[in-house]
Amino acid sequence: AQTVTQSQPEMSVQEAETVTLSCTYDTSESDYYLFWYKQPPSRQMILVIRQEAYKQQNATENRFSVNFQKAAKSFSLKISDSQLGDAAMYFCAYRITIQGAQKLVFGQGTRLTINP
Amino acid sequence: AAGVIQSPRHLIKEKRETATLKCYPIPRHDTVYWYQQGPGQDPQFLISFYEKMQSDKGSIPDRFSAQQFSDYHSELNMSSLELGDSALYFCASSPDRIRRDTQYFGPGTRLTVL
Repeated sequence: AQTVTQSQPEMSVQEAETVTLSCTYDTSESDYYLFWYKQPPSRQMILVIRQEAYKQQNATENRFSVNFQKAAKSFSLKISDSQLGDAAMYFCAYRITIQGAQKLVFGQGTRLTINP
Repeated sequence: AAGVIQSPRHLIKEKRETATLKCYPIPRHDTVYWYQQGPGQDPQFLISFYEKMQSDKGSIPDRFSAQQFSDYHSELNMSSLELGDSALYFCASSPDRIRRDTQYFGPGTRLTVL
């Protein structure tokens, strides 16, 4: 069964500094998608970044980038120049595809605090 | 850009009552997913629909049912509500079969069962 593990329940960083959130997953599939979602206090689930497993190049979206290590089944999120608005719960997610149907399996989440 | 719309945003019900949650996907998205997020937990997949047919089912209680209509909106019906059903219910949608790899979430419906 596919599982997603986030080993850091909480992280904190000084404003303007860089922070890395960890995520590991377990799968027997060779082609899959990984995502990071952000959930601020409003509880909205906001897509931050996605990575296709067949792409060797790490995805980047402005200040957000990933370090995708397929062999190690690791998918960490790096946030550069942290801003107060980055404070949120961050969920790593793996997309499962079964007979054409898809669903997301989430990790337990990492609560990120930004210190001014 | 248009987003996923969910209604109502907040709902308070008594035990054993019935609730109906509605989801309107992003225009031209044909796949809808429902997730349940309990307090302090990660979202758990409930059920999904593609082209008005159920495509996958997760840990959804038998007391819950859902469907997708001809205009692609979806409704989650919950009967005999229990205290443990109190949670944030998300609907997500994704685009056509070729590009339906990314799910976009609505704002959620917060259900409180008293």
